[in-house]
Amino acid sequence: NAGVMQNPRHLVRRRGQEARLRCSPMKGHSHVYWYRQLPEEGLKFMVYLQKENIIDESGMPKERFSAEFPKEGPSILRIQQVVRGDSAAYFCASSNFTGQNQPQHFGDGTRLSIL
Amino acid sequence: GDSVTQMEGPVTLSEEAFLTINCTYTATGYPSLFWYVQYPGEGLQLLLKATKADDKGSNKGFEATYRKETTSFHLEKGSVQVSDSAVYFCALRREGNNRLAFGKGNQVVVIP
Repeated sequence: NAGVMQNPRHLVRRRGQEARLRCSPMKGHSHVYWYRQLPEEGLKFMVYLQKENIIDESGMPKERFSAEFPKEGPSILRIQQVVRGDSAAYFCASSNFTGQNQPQHFGDGTRLSIL
Repeated sequence: GDSVTQMEGPVTLSEEAFLTINCTYTATGYPSLFWYVQYPGEGLQLLLKATKADDKGSNKGFEATYRKETTSFHLEKGSVQVSDSAVYFCALRREGNNRLAFGKGNQVVVIP
């Protein structure tokens, strides 16, 4: 499968724990985007990264959330000290070039549940 | 800011019926417009796109025309199948910006 790979598919955490979500972009893609989907809502942009750089994090909550896309390995979205309101589906997308017309290809998402 | 508005509520219709899902947008400049489809438990798949006014995107029998004058990008299909049951999202991407702005989505249920 050469698509965008996200893991885990489902993640359960207790309040106060840390959640780590992983995303491997499509082969040859160097641009990664993270979106959050709350129940019965559309997707909301969180952060856009290129290899080793955060390009746009204007959609990220200022506290507890961080993202990285290292030179080697997947992109990681990290949520510290999770709260019930973090329960959502988190989707990663990738593209091979930047630009308005470049399609973003989405993974199947990680469904995060906070107990 | 950029925003996308989709008609409220789920859409339930019979097989072979005509489907329309309304989408209007607010954005500066000339955004690119997209329709994505999400099947249960899966991520979003690009269904079709249009990048300039009067462009028509089409795929798998679905069509949408970029109407600058009405800032709309309504999705249509002439004869739906049960396999078209999914959630459909309208989205835009503004010039000089890499993020997608999504509507809330419409659940479409096609009954045999």
